[in-house]
Amino acid sequence: AQKVTQAQTEISVVEKEDVTLDCVYETRDTTYYLFWYKQPPSGELVFLIRRNSFDEQNEISGRYSWNFQKSTSSFNFTITASQVVDSAVYFCALSEERGSQGNLIFGKGTKLSVKP
Amino acid sequence: SAVISQKPSRDICQRGTSLTIQCQVDSQVTMMFWYRQQPGQSLTLIATANQGSEATYESGFVIDKFPISRPNLTFSTLTVSNMSPEDSSIYLCSVDDGSKQETQYFGPGTRLLVL
Repeated sequence: AQKVTQAQTEISVVEKEDVTLDCVYETRDTTYYLFWYKQPPSGELVFLIRRNSFDEQNEISGRYSWNFQKSTSSFNFTITASQVVDSAVYFCALSEERGSQGNLIFGKGTKLSVKP
Repeated sequence: SAVISQKPSRDICQRGTSLTIQCQVDSQVTMMFWYRQQPGQSLTLIATANQGSEATYESGFVIDKFPISRPNLTFSTLTVSNMSPEDSSIYLCSVDDGSKQETQYFGPGTRLLVL
């Protein structure tokens, strides 16, 4: 069965600190997709990144970077030089290759608070 | 990515009543999804709505409680029927990006409080 674990419930950092959000997943499929979403206090869910299981290259987008390691079934997310605007709940999610319909399995989320 | 809107953005309802939430997309999409996010919790898929067929519900969700319509490729509605305080949640619709990359984009959500 699919499962996504975000062990960190809440993290609090001071502005300009680096912070890493952990995500560990379980799946029996060889083809799957991993995602990170951001949910600011306003409530909307903002797509950040998608990774497929065949692409283990790390990705950097501005202050954001992602480390995908199949050997440890992890897909961690690092924010460099955090800012107050980064304060949000971050969700890691997993989707297996779609047959007739898709289903995103979400982790419980990590609430990040960045203090000035 | 598609632009998704939801109405209403929030509502306060009395128990026993029903609320219909609308989801509008600015482009035609094959698959639309409805999720529930209970307070302080993660998202749980309620059902998948495909145009021209009945919605497919996940375990724990039934059509009588959450009827869904999908009249065309840009619109869907979710009704929360006979509401109780336990239905207080954020309800989000999402759409598939249409590629094989499996990405879902989400609407802004509807915050529902049932008294």
